[in-house]
Amino acid sequence: DIVMTQSPDSLAVALGERATINCKSSQSVLYSSNNKNYLAWYQQKPGQPPKLLIYWASTRESGVPDRFSGSGSGTDFTLTVSSLQAEDVAVYYCQQHYTTPHTFGQGTKLEIK
Amino acid sequence: QLQLQESGPGLVKPSETLSLTCIVSGGSISSSGYYWGWIRQPPGKGLEYIGTVPNTGTTYHNPSLKSRVTMSVDTSKNQFSLNLTSVTAADTAVYYCARHNGDYTRWFDPWGQGTLVTVSS
Repeated sequence: DIVMTQSPDSLAVALGERATINCKSSQSVLYSSNNKNYLAWYQQKPGQPPKLLIYWASTRESGVPDRFSGSGSGTDFTLTVSSLQAEDVAVYYCQQHYTTPHTFGQGTKLEIK
Repeated sequence: QLQLQESGPGLVKPSETLSLTCIVSGGSISSSGYYWGWIRQPPGKGLEYIGTVPNTGTTYHNPSLKSRVTMSVDTSKNQFSLNLTSVTAADTAVYYCARHNGDYTRWFDPWGQGTLVTVSS
């Protein structure tokens, strides 16, 4: 299985400041035939299902605020919230869908400082 | 807008079979090329992939569940199902159904609201 490791486990950032979450996969999730990274990011608020934010590592889902961005390739990826808003408090997960079993990172809890 | 809703008992006894159904509305489960998945989340913990089922063809399940999983699609009822046999307390979790955005190599979107299943005598 591909192991997904997120860092940090929790993060406190002041309102309006930048938040950065990292995700590392134990093997590359870049598919050479189409040059796409099979990596997605989700946001989960308490009592709610995960919500898709980013797919193909850097493509923002429709309706997701542009303060959310994804970057990286191969085995190292980053989710950035450029200016933290109160409604961004949540747990964030990365997921590889390169191969089955699909695997998720352990989650990063983002809070307000 | 496609919506998914999990349905099933909230309490299952140890060694019995957990059976859940995901009811799909706002679209056809027969839509070409889409695969359907199950994910679970133990209370206070992270997400675990259970498996994927297409309308026809190969299903995929997490080997960690040691073949306890069976999944199927019922196009006549626009729903798909999960059976997990020989459950233990470790299977207590919120169970989500979701659609892959394409085949099994795609991300999950949308998700159902989730249903808590507790394994206890």
